[in-house]
Amino acid sequence: DSGVTQTPKHLITATGQRVTLRCSPRSGDLSVYWYQQSLDQGLQFLIQYYNGEERAKGNILERFSAQQFPDLHSELNLSSLELGDSALYFCASSETGYGTNEQFFGPGTRLTVL
Amino acid sequence: AQTVTQSQPEMSVQEAETVTLSCTYDTSESDYYLFWYKQPPSRQMILVIRQEAYKQQNATENRFSVNFQKAAKSFSLKISDSQLGDAAMYFCAYSVNRDDKIIFGKGTRLHILP
Repeated sequence: DSGVTQTPKHLITATGQRVTLRCSPRSGDLSVYWYQQSLDQGLQFLIQYYNGEERAKGNILERFSAQQFPDLHSELNLSSLELGDSALYFCASSETGYGTNEQFFGPGTRLTVL
Repeated sequence: AQTVTQSQPEMSVQEAETVTLSCTYDTSESDYYLFWYKQPPSRQMILVIRQEAYKQQNATENRFSVNFQKAAKSFSLKISDSQLGDAAMYFCAYSVNRDDKIIFGKGTRLHILP
């Protein structure tokens, strides 16, 4: 158990819908990262927040947005969902948000868009 | 752009034997971090080993060791005395010291033959 929690574990929805994925980082970790893993692919970095502020952005679609709240949990919002958005979405957290610190991954949320 | 390439989509090894997974990367940075992550069927991302680019000594964690060739931009993972529990997808990954995101390769699926 990495100490990072993600809810829900599974999510099934229809095209055009909007969903919210939630992540709680390890206690004391200030940085949260979101990654997307499509079928049989490596993880793609989406976005990073550090202590409530957006720090880095990857190949995140405009239909996707995220935020980190004062209690440091983060939410990833996916809207106007398409079939291709079906994937495993991972959240990771680290202490300071620099590459020197290990990122601890949550168990992921599997999103299925029908 | 930084990239990570794993040229072996799948590999098999007999239980108790040794196997080496290959990884090359491309970067213009001089200071960075390299990782091997394991993703078993549970889909949890588990850090196996990490290497700081400024360290010449190859990292070792029990049965796992790396061969880090900085000039060749090569970072292979050796698993000794393979066990059935080593069966998983293995991802090579890279992170720049001052940047935070982790860039992953597409992975190598490792099968352990009893």
